[in-house]
Amino acid sequence: EDQVTQSPEALRLQEGESSSLNCSYTVSGLRGLFWYRQDPGKGPEFLFTLYSAGEEKEKERLKATLTKKESFLHITAPKPEDSATYLCAVQGGGGSNYKLTFGKGTLLTVNP
Amino acid sequence: DADVTQTPRNRITKTGKRIMLECSQTKGHDRMYWYRQDPGLGLRLIYYSFDVKDINKGEISDGYSVSRQAQAKFSLSLESAIPNQTALYFCATSGGGWETQYFGPGTRLLVL
Repeated sequence: EDQVTQSPEALRLQEGESSSLNCSYTVSGLRGLFWYRQDPGKGPEFLFTLYSAGEEKEKERLKATLTKKESFLHITAPKPEDSATYLCAVQGGGGSNYKLTFGKGTLLTVNP
Repeated sequence: DADVTQTPRNRITKTGKRIMLECSQTKGHDRMYWYRQDPGLGLRLIYYSFDVKDINKGEISDGYSVSRQAQAKFSLSLESAIPNQTALYFCATSGGGWETQYFGPGTRLLVL
């Protein structure tokens, strides 16, 4: 069974204070690892897809990296508008090619 | 206009009532999904559909049914609502098995 564990559950940063969120996973044949951003009461918004170990993707202040066991979402010089819950999900290749397994998310708060 | 829309956005109902949540998409995707999100439990898959004639149960389908009226429309019904079905419900779409899932804005459901 695919599993995703995100840490920390909550993170509070000062504006400009860089940090990283962790997503540890176990999956049978990784097809893709996905990062989403979710604002309160809204649907998850797609950020990145990573397919293989060593891959990196960037978008503004965010950078996602992938190893064989975990992914990191690095946030450089965050701003208050980066405050949100960040969700990680994996898609495995074993049998069911549809299923996303989600972690419970990291709630990021960036104070001005 | 949003690519994935859900109606209603908020709904309050009473125990035992039948209700329907609707999802429409303009992304031209074949695959559609229904998830529910509960605090501390993350996103869980209720039903998914690969095309109009292909509908499948997810991990928590008991108490729910779905209808795929067209490629662009996928509805979720609660046959007899109960309080523990109070949750955020999200529709998602994807273009294929390995492709990114895109989420709608969600429906907040309260069952009294």
